[in-house]
Amino acid sequence: RKEVEQDPGPFNVPEGATVAFNCTYSNSASQSFFWYRQDCRKEPKLLMSVYSSGNEDGRFTAQLNRASQYISLLIRDSKLSDSATYLCVVTLYQKVTFGTGTKLQVIP
Amino acid sequence: DGGITQSPKYLFRKEGQNVTLSCEQNLNHDAMYWYRQDPGQGLRLIYYSQIVNDFQKGDIAEGYSVSREKKESFPLTVTSAQKNPTAFYLCASNPDESNQPQHFGDGTRLSIL
Repeated sequence: RKEVEQDPGPFNVPEGATVAFNCTYSNSASQSFFWYRQDCRKEPKLLMSVYSSGNEDGRFTAQLNRASQYISLLIRDSKLSDSATYLCVVTLYQKVTFGTGTKLQVIP
Repeated sequence: DGGITQSPKYLFRKEGQNVTLSCEQNLNHDAMYWYRQDPGQGLRLIYYSQIVNDFQKGDIAEGYSVSREKKESFPLTVTSAQKNPTAFYLCASNPDESNQPQHFGDGTRLSIL
């Protein structure tokens, strides 16, 4: 089993739709969780940290489910500019593991 | 503004040549990392350093070397032993605390001539 797994997609959604991605992790001792956004041929950029209580930043909501060992990202009212690859990141001490990413394409 | 600077943005290597990618940060971060990303793939860790004059191999260190003589700088050398160096190389840093996210430079794209 991979340490961090994501559905590669692509997820093709119309503008204004709500879309959700999940990311599963294998090590129950994992400590910190993040979502990054990566545009084509660019560096990953931090989108948001993920907390056990769940957290929201505008149209984006992140959740952590420790019992089932997954994190999720919900995007409401999708914009064309949301088209990108979304990477989940799981850390344990200094070991940082990136998922391979989920590609989102928002269609006009 | 604080950040991570990678140079050059594009680099071409001849067969049998060593090349060095630069990574400088002014964020006062202790930990620095080098990743490689191939088309359509995730990030793979090459080397990381948690403190000056110390570094550890990541998952794909063969054919690469690094140094950490200064806190701000973590250059990566792609040696001639790396037979498939064409990739997107990303440098990252974070404070040496496990709950802090990494910040990335804008990458160096290396190609073989």
